[in-house]
Amino acid sequence: GENVEQHPSTLSVQEGDSAVIKCTYSDSASNYFPWYKQELGKRPQLIIDIRSNVGEKKDQRIAVTLNKTAKHFSLHITETQPEDSAVYFCAACGNQFYFGTGTSLTVIP
Amino acid sequence: NAGVMQNPRHLVRRRGQEARLRCSPMKGHSHVYWYRQLPEEGLKFMVYLQKENIIDESGMPKERFSAEFPKEGPSILRIQQVVRGDSAAYFCASSQQEMDEQYFGPGTRLTVT
Repeated sequence: GENVEQHPSTLSVQEGDSAVIKCTYSDSASNYFPWYKQELGKRPQLIIDIRSNVGEKKDQRIAVTLNKTAKHFSLHITETQPEDSAVYFCAACGNQFYFGTGTSLTVIP
Repeated sequence: NAGVMQNPRHLVRRRGQEARLRCSPMKGHSHVYWYRQLPEEGLKFMVYLQKENIIDESGMPKERFSAEFPKEGPSILRIQQVVRGDSAAYFCASSQQEMDEQYFGPGTRLTVT
């Protein structure tokens, strides 16, 4: 089966700095890679996703990159704001969704 | 367009009782997924269903747990004879296509006393 690893598990940045979260996967059949943001006590919400036929996707301050050869993908948040503080999960999807273990991001005002 | 609905939001059960968790997918979505989340942990896949069919239940314990998604009505995750270790948040998600963008419900927080 698939194995998704996510790093770091916790990340603190100063407001305005960038944050990068990285995930690796093992199953070359995985072809869809979403990222979810989960605030405390709330549901995971899809913030951006990328499919295997694309190397990079950007939506305002959020971008995701995918390296299929190396089997890793990353979330980049620029100009971080306190409201970006949350737990972020990556996922790799082929026959099933496999989630990473999450990164707790804290943006310090 | 209403999002994914789950009820109840909070459920307290004593050991040995049954828990029934309901999930109504987004309108137009026929694919439902159930996940379990322990405190400060990630989402663990449990089961993937389409209408009247269980597609993948590899993440669901074989004992005491069952799921269904009938032709009419919500998907139901049923836990029989609950134990303390079943205490967790149970999220369902739905998608329009198989293994496509998933939208999550608010979750049911199960507490077993």
